[in-house]
Amino acid sequence: AQTVTQSQPEMSVQEAETVTLSCTYDTSESDYYLFWYKQPPSRQMILVIRQEAYKQQNATENRFSVNFQKAAKSFSLKISDSQLGDAAMYFCAYRSPAAGNKLTFGGGTRVLVKP
Amino acid sequence: DAGVIQSPRHEVTEMGQEVTLRCKPISGHNSLFWYRQTMMRGLELLIYFNNNVPIDDSGMPEDRFSAKMPNASFSTLKIQPSEPRDSAVYFCASSFSPDTKLFFGSGTQLSVL
Repeated sequence: AQTVTQSQPEMSVQEAETVTLSCTYDTSESDYYLFWYKQPPSRQMILVIRQEAYKQQNATENRFSVNFQKAAKSFSLKISDSQLGDAAMYFCAYRSPAAGNKLTFGGGTRVLVKP
Repeated sequence: DAGVIQSPRHEVTEMGQEVTLRCKPISGHNSLFWYRQTMMRGLELLIYFNNNVPIDDSGMPEDRFSAKMPNASFSTLKIQPSEPRDSAVYFCASSFSPDTKLFFGSGTQLSVL
C-alpha cells in the first residue's frame, strides 16, 4: 500500500518570503499522480497543484511550484511571496489509477504566515 | 456548478443514535469518495464508488458504518449506532474519470456526545 509522509508538522514564514514543504511517498507503481491540497480554517479542501508522474517538468501555479524527484520519491511544495491568506494546513496526496484513483493523504503541515 | 454538496454541515447527536450524512456529487462525475478527518488519524478514505458501485470499502471502520449510492446524484453515509469516537469531519468528494481532479464538499462536522 502507498504511504505519504510529511515530516514537518508546522512551518512558519514571514510575509513575502518563501517556504518549502516536504513530502515523500512510497510506491512501486510507475503511473500515478501527486497533489497538494490546502485546508484553511473554513475546512474546505482546495486543490493547489497537481503533478503527473510521467511528466518530468515540475508543475507551477502562480506562486506555487513543486520540486518533483521521481527517483527519490519526493514531492516538495514551494510557496513564493507568502501572503497572509496562505496560512492553512497543507496536505500532500498520492493518487493511483491502478487502485481506482484512490487518494492517499499525508499527515499535513500547518503553515503560519507572520506579518 | 454548485460543487459537491454535503448536508448537514454540523451534526450533534447522542451516543447510540443513528446518523445519516448526505452528499450530492457534481453532475456528470462518476466517482465518489467518503473521507473522515480526525486530529489523530488525519484524512482516511472510508469508501469509494465508481458508477454507483462500491469499489473499495476496506476503510470502513466497522459494521456500524454503511454507505449507499442509489443513483449518480446522491450518496449517504450512515452510522448506527453512533459512538463518541466517531466524532470527526466527514468529507465527500467526486471526480470524473479519467480526469484525476478531485472536488471536495465542505464536510460535515459530527459530534457524538
